[in-house]
Amino acid sequence: QVQLQESGPGLVKPSETLSLTCAVSGYSISSGYYWGWIRQPPGKGLEWIGSIYHSGSTYYNPSLKSRVTISVDTSKNHFSLRLTSVTAADTAVYYCARQAQLPTKKFDYWGQGTLVTVSS
Amino acid sequence: EIVLTQSPGTLSLSPGERATLTCRASQTISSNYLSWYQQKPGQAPRLLIYGASSRATGIPDRFSGSGSGTDFTLTISRLEPEDFAVYYCQQYGSSPPCTFGQGTKVEIK
Repeated sequence: QVQLQESGPGLVKPSETLSLTCAVSGYSISSGYYWGWIRQPPGKGLEWIGSIYHSGSTYYNPSLKSRVTISVDTSKNHFSLRLTSVTAADTAVYYCARQAQLPTKKFDYWGQGTLVTVSS
Repeated sequence: EIVLTQSPGTLSLSPGERATLTCRASQTISSNYLSWYQQKPGQAPRLLIYGASSRATGIPDRFSGSGSGTDFTLTISRLEPEDFAVYYCQQYGSSPPCTFGQGTKVEIK
């Protein structure tokens, strides 16, 4: 059974960098698939942040691209998110998820999510 | 930019009733790239439908998806108590490569 688990600080100060890691178990990242980050501000809908292929190629939401870096560490079987220059608008539950390759690009396994609050 | 608009925003129904949720895309998208998710309070989204009409593993057959082009539908044939939740459609395509609809809340009438 594929499982994903997010980890990282729950509180980040404005203008600083948000860093999260998603540990994957039950599946080897190097075997394939894309791996993505999605966020959800409190009481609002879902916003895709970006995804990374097991080889390391990435694609990002254009609205966040200038501040986002997603990386993968196949030796540790995890992937990570960095979001720079955060503001209160970045307060959200952050989910990691496995994303299928073409033709569907569905998100079939999700982590439980972790709340990150941006506040001084 | 492809925008997904879901309607209605809220659907008030009783258990046993039929629910019909709509997702309209601002441009034509491939049916392959349209998925539906269910989210309950405090939980992560769960994949229900992918490729517009294929049920994900373990999803009951009361859930069905249909549509093509710009108009897609998620139907729940007979609502069970555990089906009251928020439902999102999602597309993969051109810039941005991935977008979600704003969600439809199915609540108990």
